[in-house]
Amino acid sequence: NAGVTQTPKFRILKIGQSMTLQCTQDMNHNYMYWYRQDPGMGLKLIYYSVGAGITDKGEVPNGYNVSRSTTEDFPLRLELAAPSQTSVYFCASGIGANVLTFGAGSRLTVL
Amino acid sequence: AQSVTQPDIHITVSEGASLELRCNYSYGATPYLFWYVQSPGQGLQLLLKYFSGDTLVQGIKGFEAEFKRSQSSFNLRKPSVHWSDAAEYFCAVGGNGGSQGNLIFGKGTKLSVKP
Repeated sequence: NAGVTQTPKFRILKIGQSMTLQCTQDMNHNYMYWYRQDPGMGLKLIYYSVGAGITDKGEVPNGYNVSRSTTEDFPLRLELAAPSQTSVYFCASGIGANVLTFGAGSRLTVL
Repeated sequence: AQSVTQPDIHITVSEGASLELRCNYSYGATPYLFWYVQSPGQGLQLLLKYFSGDTLVQGIKGFEAEFKRSQSSFNLRKPSVHWSDAAEYFCAVGGNGGSQGNLIFGKGTKLSVKP
C-alpha cells in the first residue's frame, strides 16, 4: 500500500523559477488536497479537488495552480517562485472531506 | 469565523505521566472534530475523530478525546505517556460535505517527553 506519494521530498528553487510538486494516491479517493505548513502556523489549505476535473481554491491559493485530470494525480504548480513560498507542502486524500491520509511532505526552499 | 485554538505551543511531560492537550474551536454548524499527530519529518496521521454520538471517543495509540459542546472544546488525553508519543499534535474542525468539509487546523502543540 503506497497511500499518498509526494515527489520530490526536497527542492531548492531560485526566485522566479517554476516547478511542479507531484502527488499520487492509490486508494481511489475522490477528495484530494494541498496544504502548506509553516513553523508555528499549522496547515493552510492551498487548493482542493472533489473529483477528477474539479478543483477549487482554499485559503492561500495565490501563486499556485493545480489540475486534476485523473482520480490518482493532483499536481501543484508553482509559477514564479518567491521566498514567501518557502514551506513544507503536504498532499492529502480522502473518501470524504474530513478523514484524510497525508503524504510525507515536500520541503521547498526558494532563495 | 471558523477557527481552532490550541493554547499550548509546547508541553513537556515525564514518561508515564498523564497528558491533556487542549483544543477550542469556533464553528457555526455542527462540527466534525479531529486530532492528528505528526512525527518529525513525517506527514500527519489521524489519531481519532468525532462526528456524533458518544462524546468520549477512543483513538489509536491509547489516546482519547472528549467533546464538550458547552465549552467548545475537544481535549486530547492519554493516561500514561510513552517516549514514542513525542511529536506535534494538531486539532482540526470541519463540517459535513462540500467545501464545509475542508479541515481547519490549529497551530499545533509540540509534546516533549522526559525520561
